[in-house]
Amino acid sequence: DQQVKQNSPSLSVQEGRISILNCDYTNSMFDYFLWYKKYPAEGPTFLISISSIKDKNEDGRFTVFLNKSAKHLSLHIVPSQPGDSAVYFCAASGPSNTGKLIFGQGTTLQVKP
Amino acid sequence: GAVVSQHPSWVICKSGTSVKIECRSLDFQATTMFWYRQFPKQSLMLMATSNEGSKATYEQGVEKDKFLINHASLTLSTLTVTSAHPEDSSFYICSVPGDSTSGNEKLFFGSGTQLSVL
Repeated sequence: DQQVKQNSPSLSVQEGRISILNCDYTNSMFDYFLWYKKYPAEGPTFLISISSIKDKNEDGRFTVFLNKSAKHLSLHIVPSQPGDSAVYFCAASGPSNTGKLIFGQGTTLQVKP
Repeated sequence: GAVVSQHPSWVICKSGTSVKIECRSLDFQATTMFWYRQFPKQSLMLMATSNEGSKATYEQGVEKDKFLINHASLTLSTLTVTSAHPEDSSFYICSVPGDSTSGNEKLFFGSGTQLSVL
């Protein structure tokens, strides 16, 4: 039972354009969502997060949008840079699962110069 | 955020041997650490929760006798893969929850250990 899904395995974007990575979830008890960036043979690094009481959180070039009614979140990267090329995982946690994250399958982003 | 050190980065071993992976929280004391595993082209899956001073909590389907976890101190947790087999080949990653300042909903990950069992 995949509670967090990233249906696009890969995404290719031109440098300077917007990258939009999507994530869907099924568990309505999730109340905190995170995006992680991962390079090969390295551990994931935290990128940005959002609480379920918000619908948007912005940090520099990165913005996460949350649509609770649709159980959908997205990560926008503007403008995209070649250094953003990596695998992006969305993750979710519930009120009783502090620190225990459920991850999506990941989306590989390639930003072309 | 927390600084997490994981060692070794990669290990190749023969089938039937045991492998120990260390995870250290370098800048704060962690009563809880999490061990994740990632198979190629798959998501990170939680294996177990390491608790300082008590037994680890394992997720469904993870054999506790095969994956031994010891949380020896507030800064060190170890995962030992006993009698490793080729199907145990995977990327093992430890993580530490953030503190009240960085947010304990966040996890900070080690650099991971790529295990290859021949």
